Amino acid sequence: NAGVTQTPKFQVLKTGQSMTLQCAQDMNHNSMYWYRQDPGMGLRLIYYSASEGTTDKGEVPNGYNVSRLNKREFSLRLESAAPSQTSVYFCASSDSPGETQYFGPGTRLLVL
Amino acid sequence: QKEVEQNSGPLSVPEGAIASLNCTYSDRGSQSFFWYRQYSGKSPELIMFIYSNGDKEDGRFTAQLNKASQYVSLLIRDSQPSDSATYLCAVLNTGGFKTIFGAGTRLFVKA
Repeated sequence: NAGVTQTPKFQVLKTGQSMTLQCAQDMNHNSMYWYRQDPGMGLRLIYYSASEGTTDKGEVPNGYNVSRLNKREFSLRLESAAPSQTSVYFCASSDSPGETQYFGPGTRLLVL
Repeated sequence: QKEVEQNSGPLSVPEGAIASLNCTYSDRGSQSFFWYRQYSGKSPELIMFIYSNGDKEDGRFTAQLNKASQYVSLLIRDSQPSDSATYLCAVLNTGGFKTIFGAGTRLFVKA
């Protein structure tokens, strides 16, 4: 049981480049989430998927898009990276919205 | 006003003491409350959740909830150096879909 996995672990981008962060869970959870964590800001919700086939905006969705590919996978795409998107990105999953969330190891992204 | 507020710390306590971590929230309709622990460079992991007013105990940890005062706390008894971490308070909003996290309180337990 891997739990929640994220790829890549580290990434350096130049301003304007695009990339997709991948997330997968093997716990048969219905809900999945993308957060970013910046110093002093805690975790901020970017997008979430309450169940397969649905996605909704969180607190800070601008500059991001998501795809719930299937029940297991939830990807986050940066179409045109900006330095303000330098952060640590965490994917999480839960059995249903509001239940305990289980987090992946995170992706550290640096945008130059 | 932030939706979930925590004192950023650092909070420093000696080994064996009680550490008290506090959190206030602004959404009066919130129903579920969580405490996560995050070690430096790692991902958050759940310590406890609480839904009802009062105290909930799990080993050395006690969560306290006062909905009238919109206040949640976490007590750590017999604090150990291994408890040194950032503690994140999280609140499920009224709609029941979004969990809002506080910025976290850094705790140092001195041996």
